[in-house]
Amino acid sequence: AQSVTQLGSHVSVSEGALVLLRCNYSSSVPPYLFWYVQYPNQGLQLLLKYTTGATLVKGINGFEAEFKKSETSFHLTKPSAHMSDAAEYFCAVRSGGGADGLTFGKGTHLIIQP
Amino acid sequence: DTAVSQTPKYLVTQMGNDKSIKCEQNLGHDTMYWYKQDSKKFLKIMFSYNNKELIINETVPNRFSPKSPDKAHLNLHINSLELGDSAVYFCASSRQGVNEQYFGPGTRLTVT
Repeated sequence: AQSVTQLGSHVSVSEGALVLLRCNYSSSVPPYLFWYVQYPNQGLQLLLKYTTGATLVKGINGFEAEFKKSETSFHLTKPSAHMSDAAEYFCAVRSGGGADGLTFGKGTHLIIQP
Repeated sequence: DTAVSQTPKYLVTQMGNDKSIKCEQNLGHDTMYWYKQDSKKFLKIMFSYNNKELIINETVPNRFSPKSPDKAHLNLHINSLELGDSAVYFCASSRQGVNEQYFGPGTRLTVT
C-alpha cells in the first residue's frame, strides 16, 4: 500500500518569502511523485512530477521539488512567493506505470501575506 | 479546447434520486478516472477505466457505476443518492505508461 503525508494543513508566508511545502510518502516500489495545485472552485493542475532520473524537478510557476529516497520525501519549494500562489497544494504518489489511480495527501492550503 | 470536460458543473438533487455526471477527454488518452473530493478537500480514487475495462474499483458503494461508451468518455452514474454523496467529483485521464493525470474542472454534487 502507498500513502502520502503532507505536514501542515495550512502554511502562511509573506509575499517574496520562501515557500516550503512538505510531503513524505510510503511506497513498496519505486514511486512516481506529483504535486498538483488547486485554485478555488477549479480542478487540479499539475505543477511537476518525478518519475526517474534527476531528483531535482522543476515545474511551472517557479516551483521545484527534490526527491530524496533516503528521507522518503518530495518537498515543494519556491524561492519567492507571489500573491497568485495562494491555493491548495496536493502531493500525490503512484506506484507502477499501469492504470493505477493517484494516492493524494490531505493537501496544504498556502496563504500569502502581503 | 478543453482537454478534460465534465457536465454538469453543479448538480443539486434530492435524496433517493438517480443522477449521472458526464466526462469527456480530447487528449487521446486510453485511461480515465473518477475521484471524489470531500468537504475537507481529501481526494480519493473511485474508479479507473483502461480500454473499456474497469481496472480499479475501490471501496465504493455499488450505487456508483462508471460507464464508458468509448475511450474518450467515462460517465458516472449514481443511484439512490444519499446525503453523504455530496462532494466534488473529478474526472481525469492519462496515457498508459505516462503517469501524469489531467483533471477536469469538477462537478459539485449537493444532495438535499
